[in-house]
Amino acid sequence: AQKVTQAQTEISVVEKEDVTLDCVYETRDTTYYLFWYKQPPSGELVFLIRRNSFDEQNEISGRYSWNFQKSTSSFNFTITASQVVDSAVYFCALSGGYQKVTFGTGTKLQVIP
Amino acid sequence: EAGVAQSPRYKIIEKRQSVAFWCNPISGHATLYWYQQILGQGPKLLIQFQNNGVVDDSQLPKDRFSAERLKGVDSTLKIQPAKLEDSAVYLCASSPFTWTRTRTDTQYFGPGTRLTVL
Repeated sequence: AQKVTQAQTEISVVEKEDVTLDCVYETRDTTYYLFWYKQPPSGELVFLIRRNSFDEQNEISGRYSWNFQKSTSSFNFTITASQVVDSAVYFCALSGGYQKVTFGTGTKLQVIP
Repeated sequence: EAGVAQSPRYKIIEKRQSVAFWCNPISGHATLYWYQQILGQGPKLLIQFQNNGVVDDSQLPKDRFSAERLKGVDSTLKIQPAKLEDSAVYLCASSPFTWTRTRTDTQYFGPGTRLTVL
């Protein structure tokens, strides 16, 4: 069985602060994929990133960065210099193959102007 | 490229009534998924299609839920009869490639249908 834990239910930050969203996963598969999705108030899940288990390089995309550590089974997401438009619910997800994806419960981020 | 389309966007029904949702995936995408997202929770997979065949429906309450993808393109999800606990957002997603044991493709989501059962 696979499991994704996002312990932070809600986070509030003031605009321009940095914020890190935590994601811890469990799987018995040796090959697996990790995802982050953003769900703004409009409701549509927006794909942010996909990583496979063999690629532990950290990734940076603009103000977004991801830290993947197999040793701690974590795939954390950092937003640098947060903006009001970053306010949303963020989901971490895991798939061990067969395209069956398990989502975490989400972290609601509120960026206060 | 057009995204995943869903309709209706909102639906309010009374318990024991029937309801149907429609999804049109991204053109050329082989795999289609239906998820249920209850308020405050992450999406839960209900059913996964590969072209017009079912790959996984282990979490679909088959006594009341049904889904089909007859021509391998559009899909409909039906609830009959609805219960109060079915109130949720129903998300449709698609991914481009065929299903394999070791590969997972990125799923692209539609805007969802918000169902309220009174």
